[in-house]
Amino acid sequence: GAVVSQHPSWVICKSGTSVKIECRSLDFQATTMFWYRQFPKQSLMLMATSNEGSKATYEQGVEKDKFLINHASLTLSTLTVTSAHPEDSSFYICSARGTRLVGQFFGPGTRLTVL
Amino acid sequence: QKEVEQNSGPLSVPEGAIASLNCTYSDRGSQSFFWYRQYSGKSPELIMSIYSNGDKEDGRFTAQLNKASQYVSLLIRDSQPSDSATYLCAVRPSSASKIIFGSGTRLSIRP
Repeated sequence: GAVVSQHPSWVICKSGTSVKIECRSLDFQATTMFWYRQFPKQSLMLMATSNEGSKATYEQGVEKDKFLINHASLTLSTLTVTSAHPEDSSFYICSARGTRLVGQFFGPGTRLTVL
Repeated sequence: QKEVEQNSGPLSVPEGAIASLNCTYSDRGSQSFFWYRQYSGKSPELIMSIYSNGDKEDGRFTAQLNKASQYVSLLIRDSQPSDSATYLCAVRPSSASKIIFGSGTRLSIRP
């Protein structure tokens, strides 16, 4: 149980375009979802926390207008990287919690490369 | 002071030996503690959770918690090369819904 999927697993895009990443909880209702970014050989960095039906809470230094998060249902959250630039190239990972679960469960991640 | 601290390593352990990974945390009221394993290029995977003082065993893994010392550890017995990964300690502080992650300890099991 507690399976989280992400799509796409990797994406290459041109600078200036927008990219949408989907995160789904497959076998539980995710009341809270978290979006992380990880650069090579570095720690996980929490970008934002979203609760179903509410606006996301962004960590300090994360531009909410650049990283749009929508948590429209208890099984789906999306992260849209708007006007992507090469410095946005990173490994984006979502994580989800459910009301009856302790701990967070991670999706497999999306590797974004911006040319 | 970081909320969750781990030695970054690398920690090198011979195959078959016990690997010992340590973590300290700052919020004395924390109630939930987790160990995640992250292979290079992959996302973290939950391997152990512990909530009360003492030891919790699951196969070759043992998590140890000492709330008085604000210390959590993970022991891996009979270490295998496949255990080579980064191990993340995570703590849920008393007042937060989100889990705070340490920066991870890189473990290398040498054949």
